[in-house]
Amino acid sequence: KQEVTQIPAALSVPEGENLVLNCSFTDSAIYNLQWFRQDPGKGLTSLLLIQSSQREQTSGRLNASLDKSSGRSTLYIAASQPGDSATYLCAVRDYGQNFVFGPGTRLSVLP
Amino acid sequence: DTGVSQDPRHKITKRGQNVTFRCDPISEHNRLYWYRQTLGQGPEFLTYFQNEAQLEKSRLLSDRFSAERPKGSFSTLEIQRTEQGDSAMYLCASSSGDRLNTEAFFGQGTRLTVV
Repeated sequence: KQEVTQIPAALSVPEGENLVLNCSFTDSAIYNLQWFRQDPGKGLTSLLLIQSSQREQTSGRLNASLDKSSGRSTLYIAASQPGDSATYLCAVRDYGQNFVFGPGTRLSVLP
Repeated sequence: DTGVSQDPRHKITKRGQNVTFRCDPISEHNRLYWYRQTLGQGPEFLTYFQNEAQLEKSRLLSDRFSAERPKGSFSTLEIQRTEQGDSAMYLCASSSGDRLNTEAFFGQGTRLTVV
């Protein structure tokens, strides 16, 4: 059974810092990995999708990497801003066809 | 197309009542997913449709839960005889294509409170 973990569970940083969020999964047989952002009480907003054959994807200040063989992904956020404060979730689509989510990392960026 | 739409956004119901939620996926997305999320946790898979066919159901989906996707367009999720443990955010997602490597898009969710 696929299990996804995320470290740290919560993170508080001053504005302007670069930061890294970590995601680990137990079964490397995946189609892809997707990073989402969730604001309190809201739905999920897709940030980046990495296919199993890719090593990284970039969108603006965000960069996500994937090391499928070791079961790890990182989300790098450059020059963090208070508006980046949210919960960040990673999800893998495995061969069971469904998305398996981690518990999320709650990020606070302090002005 | 404004994305995945869910209705209602919030629902408060008394224990024992039935509730029904609706999800309108992005046009022409043939895959539709339902997830449940409790406070502080990641979303958990409930069920999945490809077009009108319900292909998989989680063990979380007890016999009080039923989902449909008539004509392969919108979907409904019904919970009968609600219990306080059903209180959660119910999320719907859709994705396109015949391949399983496409991006998933989520709606804003329906927050259910059972009192």
